[in-house]
Amino acid sequence: DIQMTQSPSTLSASVGDRVSITCRASQTISTWLAWYQQKPGKAPKLLIQKAFSLESGVPSRFSGSGSGTAFTLTISSLQPDDFATYYCQQYHVYPLTFGGGTKVEIK
Amino acid sequence: QLQLQESGPGLVKPSETLSLTCTVSGGPISSRGYYWGWIRQPPGKGLEWIASIYYSGNTYYTVPLGSRITLSIDTSKKEISLKLTSMTAADTAVYYCARGRLNSAEVAGFFETWGRGTLVTVSS
Repeated sequence: DIQMTQSPSTLSASVGDRVSITCRASQTISTWLAWYQQKPGKAPKLLIQKAFSLESGVPSRFSGSGSGTAFTLTISSLQPDDFATYYCQQYHVYPLTFGGGTKVEIK
Repeated sequence: QLQLQESGPGLVKPSETLSLTCTVSGGPISSRGYYWGWIRQPPGKGLEWIASIYYSGNTYYTVPLGSRITLSIDTSKKEISLKLTSMTAADTAVYYCARGRLNSAEVAGFFETWGRGTLVTVSS
């Protein structure tokens, strides 16, 4: 199985900050990586697929980069609505695997 | 606009079988390039993919659940059904149904549309 490791597990930041979340795969997955945002009590929401393709309707302050085994989700200017937990997911092969999540908290 | 609605018992006794249904509305249930998946999330924990079913009928299951899990599709009712046998407390989780979009190799995909999820608690 491909292990997905996210860091940090928790991130404290202020509105307006630039924040980055890292996701590392235990083996190469090309760019078959998705990022999701989840708020408490809600289903995850797809933000980015194929490592860098922003889904329709997702604010442009979100961006994704990386390929192979190292990936980054960046929020250029953190907004109040962005405080949530973020997950990466590889879809290179089965079993599909998610990272452990990164909780973005208000500093 | 595609919508997914999970339904099933909120409480299951240990050793019993869980049956969940995902009802699809606002879009087709069989479409090349897409598939259906179930993902679960234990309380306070992360996401775990557990099963997928393709328009062809092919299925993929997470190995740890082994032969306990079965997926099926009823295209006439636009429903995807999940059965999980021999339930234990470790199976307590929110269960999500989701539609996946396949990658260009049509091997696997990401989840673009999710249901709201249904909490299943295993307790006597």
